[in-house]
Amino acid sequence: EGQLVESGGGLIQPGGTLRVSCAASGFSFSSYEMNWVRQAPGKGPEWISYISGSGGAINYADSVKGRFTISRDNARNSLYLEMTGLRVEDTALYYCARQGREGYNSYWYFDLWGRGALVTVSS
Amino acid sequence: DLQMTQSPSTLSASVGDRVTITCRASQSIDSLLAWYQQKPGNAPKLLITKSSSLQSGVPSRFSGSGSGTEFTLTISSLQPNDFATYYCQQYKSYSQYNFGQGTKLEIK
Repeated sequence: EGQLVESGGGLIQPGGTLRVSCAASGFSFSSYEMNWVRQAPGKGPEWISYISGSGGAINYADSVKGRFTISRDNARNSLYLEMTGLRVEDTALYYCARQGREGYNSYWYFDLWGRGALVTVSS
Repeated sequence: DLQMTQSPSTLSASVGDRVTITCRASQSIDSLLAWYQQKPGNAPKLLITKSSSLQSGVPSRFSGSGSGTEFTLTISSLQPNDFATYYCQQYKSYSQYNFGQGTKLEIK
């Protein structure tokens, strides 16, 4: 079935840099496209970034483009999100999420989520 | 930008009730809509994809319908474990994949 475990959240000042990680287990990590989805307190989830199984294709939401960088290490079954230029409005629970697959086709819904890493941006 | 709007924002109901949550898209998304359930302190759980396809392990009292711009999630007979917040999410529009604002299902 699979498991995702995020780590690396914390309290950071505006303008700071932070990296969150996600450790995957129980499924063939390199075969799956992965995403980061965040959820601000009391709000709905917001998709922010995508990476293909090989890491060769990457995409970002406009809200984080140019500030956040997604990457993966398939040898370590790990997904990363480096966040720079952090803003107060980036405060959220950051979830690692596996992209859905139906046969050979991939779809942008999320069928496996971690428990999230809390990032708080405040002075 | 494509917007997803859920109604109602809050729904009060009793165990055994039939409830329906509506999700509207600002433009057609065909049937590329998913529903999630989220309980406090937990990540969202995928319930339904492609508007009406129930995920494995999800009870059959949950059902989804709709296409184009209007979609519904129905729970035929509420159980105590169903009180949670429900989100719709479209996956038609490239690089948006946005969620609705959520419907909180409360015990009456």
